[in-house]
Amino acid sequence: NAGVMQNPRHLVRRRGQEARLRCSPMKGHSHVYWYRQLPEEGLKFMVYLQKENIIDESGMPKERFSAEFPKEGPSILRIQQVVRGDSAAYFCASSPRQSTDTQYFGPGTRLTVL
Amino acid sequence: AQSVTQLGSHVSVSEGALVLLRCNYSSSVPPYLFWYVQYPNQGLQLLLKYTTGATLVKGINGFEAEFKKSETSFHLTKPSAHMSDAAEYFCAVSSGGNNRLAFGKGNQVVVIP
Repeated sequence: NAGVMQNPRHLVRRRGQEARLRCSPMKGHSHVYWYRQLPEEGLKFMVYLQKENIIDESGMPKERFSAEFPKEGPSILRIQQVVRGDSAAYFCASSPRQSTDTQYFGPGTRLTVL
Repeated sequence: AQSVTQLGSHVSVSEGALVLLRCNYSSSVPPYLFWYVQYPNQGLQLLLKYTTGATLVKGINGFEAEFKKSETSFHLTKPSAHMSDAAEYFCAVSSGGNNRLAFGKGNQVVVIP
């Protein structure tokens, strides 16, 4: 059973460009979470999605950031007009059900904004 | 709101010595508690978790943690450090039906030969 897949692993963007980060959950998992890890910090929750629904986006910045988890295909975290402060590692996690289940993490996408 | 405190960002331990990483949490409802390990340039791997039941939890690689409600703590221990234990360790909490994991800032463990 393949683990959580994320791509790309490394992404370099110039200020003002768009970044698209993809996450394929583990097989059989319908719940996806995105977290951001800034340098010298722990992971911070961004958004929780189920298929075609955003359940909790309380950790998402109000502007430029969006997430989706379509019926078919991977979950996408989209950052428009990136700024240097968006440079971080973005981790996706998945679980088969909600709440009590362990979240399994992908290897992360390291975004660098020049 | 839930939160986690991990003191001491860098922890050095001699090979063969006890590993002790401290975690204190804050939660308004009974918590679920987790320890994850992160190796360089990799994702987080679950070491162990507490949800309900026995308060002493055993995990992978010889690690264990004890939930102490009165102290709001979930400290991680391993009796004898191995070189392969060098990594970053994160404590996390979620509150029942709340799916958000709140993480501490992590402990970078260095094992000295």
